[in-house]
Amino acid sequence: ILNVEQSPQSLHVQEGDSTNFTCSFPSSNFYALHWYRWETAKSPEALFVMTLNGDEKKKGRISATLNTKEGYSYLYIKGSQPEDSATYLCASLDSNYQLIWGAGTKLIIKP
Amino acid sequence: GAGVSQSPRYKVAKRGQDVALRCDPISGHVSLFWYQQALGQGPEFLTYFQNEAQLDKSGLPSDRFFAERPEGSVSTLKIQRTQQEDSAVYLCASSLEGTGYNQPQHFGDGTRLSIL
Repeated sequence: ILNVEQSPQSLHVQEGDSTNFTCSFPSSNFYALHWYRWETAKSPEALFVMTLNGDEKKKGRISATLNTKEGYSYLYIKGSQPEDSATYLCASLDSNYQLIWGAGTKLIIKP
Repeated sequence: GAGVSQSPRYKVAKRGQDVALRCDPISGHVSLFWYQQALGQGPEFLTYFQNEAQLDKSGLPSDRFFAERPEGSVSTLKIQRTQQEDSAVYLCASSLEGTGYNQPQHFGDGTRLSIL
């Protein structure tokens, strides 16, 4: 059974500042790492699916890196905007092809 | 619609009642997943369908939980003799094909179930 950890649990960032947070996962038997954004009263939205060590993906002001050897992924947000306020969830695919989810990082952007 | 549709959005039931939650996935999506999300936690896997076949139900917490997808499209999650600990948000997700290895999952808005 995987244990996916996210830190910090919550984060307050001033509008315009850049920020990042972490997802850690067991590095053995790695298959894929998913990032999702979940805004209040909406459904989780897929951001990235990453499979290769060293991979870096970008979507607008949001980017993510992946280190499968040490078992972590970083999500970066450049120039935070109020609409970035959401809970960011990561999930790692286990050997049964189930997504094992972290508890999320709740990001609050202060105007 | 273009996205995953779940109904109802909110459900309040008395302890002991049976409830049924519906998920209408994106048309053409082969894989369908059900998750249970408690307050302050990430989603917990319940069950997975590939077309009409329920390939994994290891996450269902008890035999009171039952899911079906008889025609490989709409799915229903049924909870019998509900208990207070069943109160949670139930999320449904679908993906285009396979086991979600490198396919993102597309989520519905969820059903918030409250058991009184």
